[in-house]
Amino acid sequence: EVQLVESGGGLVKPGGSLRLSCAASGFTFSRYSIYWVRQAPGKGLEWVSSISSSSSFIYYADSLKGRFTISRDNAKNSLFLQMNSLRAEDTAVYYCAREVPGTATPFFDYWGQGTLVTVSS
Amino acid sequence: SYVLTQSPSVSVAPGKTARITCGGNNIGSKSVHWYQQKPGQAPVLVMYYDSDRPSGIPERFSGSNSGNTATLTISRVEAGDEADYHCQVWDSSSDHVVFGGGTKLTVL
Repeated sequence: EVQLVESGGGLVKPGGSLRLSCAASGFTFSRYSIYWVRQAPGKGLEWVSSISSSSSFIYYADSLKGRFTISRDNAKNSLFLQMNSLRAEDTAVYYCAREVPGTATPFFDYWGQGTLVTVSS
Repeated sequence: SYVLTQSPSVSVAPGKTARITCGGNNIGSKSVHWYQQKPGQAPVLVMYYDSDRPSGIPERFSGSNSGNTATLTISRVEAGDEADYHCQVWDSSSDHVVFGGGTKLTVL
């Protein structure tokens, strides 16, 4: 069974840092591009970042302005998101999602249950 | 950057047809994907490449995309269809994934 399990969320003060993790199982993690998508309370989905299977291609949403860093460890079937200089507007549930392979445009067939990040003093 | 526009809410009586739209500049030239999200749950893919249904998604769900509007149509709506629906595209000019703001479907 394909599973994606996020962890690392919590309460952090503005300007602080947090590192999210996404543990994958049930599939060959090293063959898939994985994405971070977030959802602020009561709002829609917002793409955050993506990383290709071998980490060759990495993309970020423009709104992040270099504050976040995505990475992965294929040997440990894990995805990470290092978040620095956090702001109140970064408060959201953060999901990791698996891209359907071999597609002309990316979309996602499996999502984790999400981890809540709250930025507040 | 590319923008997708969805109506915040749609209401429909059980057994009727719900149409959820996603607007974007020449969206008909892009592939649109749709996700269903129930409260407290992760999104679930319900339509991809405009009109393809993943396995397990009822035939009551269908999709279309032309001009500046993509549409997710749910026929014979059931109470269990009540959820938020999000459209998504790939903006090749920026290599960015783009989501619409989501539409809350209420079954009356």
